[in-house]
Amino acid sequence: DAGITQSPRHKVTETGTPVTLRCHQTENHRYMYWYRQDPGHGLRLIHYSYGVKDTDKGEVSDGYSVSRSKTEDFLLTLESATSSQTSVYFCAISEVSWAQGYNSTEAFFGQGTRLTVV
Amino acid sequence: KQEVTQIPAALSVPEGENLVLNCSFTDSAIYNLQWFRQDPGKGLTSLLLIQSSQREQTSGRLNASLDKSSGRSTLYIAASQPGDSATYLCAAQGGKLIFGQGTELSVKP
Repeated sequence: DAGITQSPRHKVTETGTPVTLRCHQTENHRYMYWYRQDPGHGLRLIHYSYGVKDTDKGEVSDGYSVSRSKTEDFLLTLESATSSQTSVYFCAISEVSWAQGYNSTEAFFGQGTRLTVV
Repeated sequence: KQEVTQIPAALSVPEGENLVLNCSFTDSAIYNLQWFRQDPGKGLTSLLLIQSSQREQTSGRLNASLDKSSGRSTLYIAASQPGDSATYLCAAQGGKLIFGQGTELSVKP
């Protein structure tokens, strides 16, 4: 299995508090992604990173920020948690290389973080 | 902006039937197209990856095809079994990795 770990796995927090979720990988992959999954909405991309300190917004980035200060860690912060951010959050990693033509890897997913904002 | 659509949203078939799940995407500038499986309350498991230069990939009873020019991919499942019951998701990667909303498959014994 790919080395990707999310922490915490479960969290309950109060409205208005900041929350940080961590994604840690041991695969040295360049791409890292944060998604949220809600019933009826599938997986929606929040933010992604294509290298250290290189990040970009996804489909549902409002209220979220990210940081990537080293290859192995990608942090997702809810600046002021709201009940609408109650969800399951998934992190994923992948790699794309351009040696001898490009090649891309499967995306591997963490086990998810169940976040409840009360 | 990449948009990925999966049809049908849900599918129920009797055991042993062959079936096709459909995925369409709007931007053909992709590195690859991937198919995943998700069981209820669980994470995602990668099933097949098709590089943009490829036309199809096979793994056991699964076969996935890719037609970049038409923006379509299909996942063919042969001789379906109750253990195949799950949600199947496709995702197009072109920097961003964008998912369809999935097809919920139920295979009845």
